[in-house]
Amino acid sequence: ETGVTQTPRHLVMGMTNKKSLKCEQHLGHNAMYWYKQSAKKPLELMFVYNFKEQTENNSVPSRFSPECPNSSHLFLHLHTLQPEDSALYLCASSQVGDRAGNTIYFGEGSWLTVV
Amino acid sequence: GQNIDQPTEMTATEGAIVQINCTYQTSGFNGLFWYQQHAGEAPTFLSYNVLDGLEEKGRFSSFLSRSKGYSYLLLKELQMKDSASYLCAVVDSNYQLIWGAGTKLIIKP
Repeated sequence: ETGVTQTPRHLVMGMTNKKSLKCEQHLGHNAMYWYKQSAKKPLELMFVYNFKEQTENNSVPSRFSPECPNSSHLFLHLHTLQPEDSALYLCASSQVGDRAGNTIYFGEGSWLTVV
Repeated sequence: GQNIDQPTEMTATEGAIVQINCTYQTSGFNGLFWYQQHAGEAPTFLSYNVLDGLEEKGRFSSFLSRSKGYSYLLLKELQMKDSASYLCAVVDSNYQLIWGAGTKLIIKP
């Protein structure tokens, strides 16, 4: 239990579907992140929210749209995805300004398969 | 560009010692993390180094040499449960985390 909870853990969707990934952190952190993890590749940072404001969008296609209604919740809305978007999507949180260089705490991830 | 290099896969024997290396070239340096990730699970924090030297934490130790752009994670008295991927990440001058692709460690009896 890392204090960051993601749902669903597994998701299979067609290319025309619309679905959402949900993340909740119970650590009182002020920053939340979406990462994409593909096999044998480095973690790819997708979005960062500091104090509910999006501060980073690393050239992510518009078929991914994040939503951060408050500092504890983060969503990733998915629509018209492509098969190459199949990956593990990790949510994470941290306390900006923490001594240990913003130690990031990850959720267990949502395995996404696009068919 | 920014780059983190670590071996793709390593194999070691239960009870032995293994060293996982990480070399980096980044724009600035504000610390280096090691994370452990078991298959199908979240990455979990192992260590953070910002000053040169060795930091020991039980069976795990992490070493940093900033002048060489080099770190290693040392695992002693290996146990089967240590089979996992180990991720190296560097905090750059903009306080962004730059991740390596991870090293998959296989422990054999």
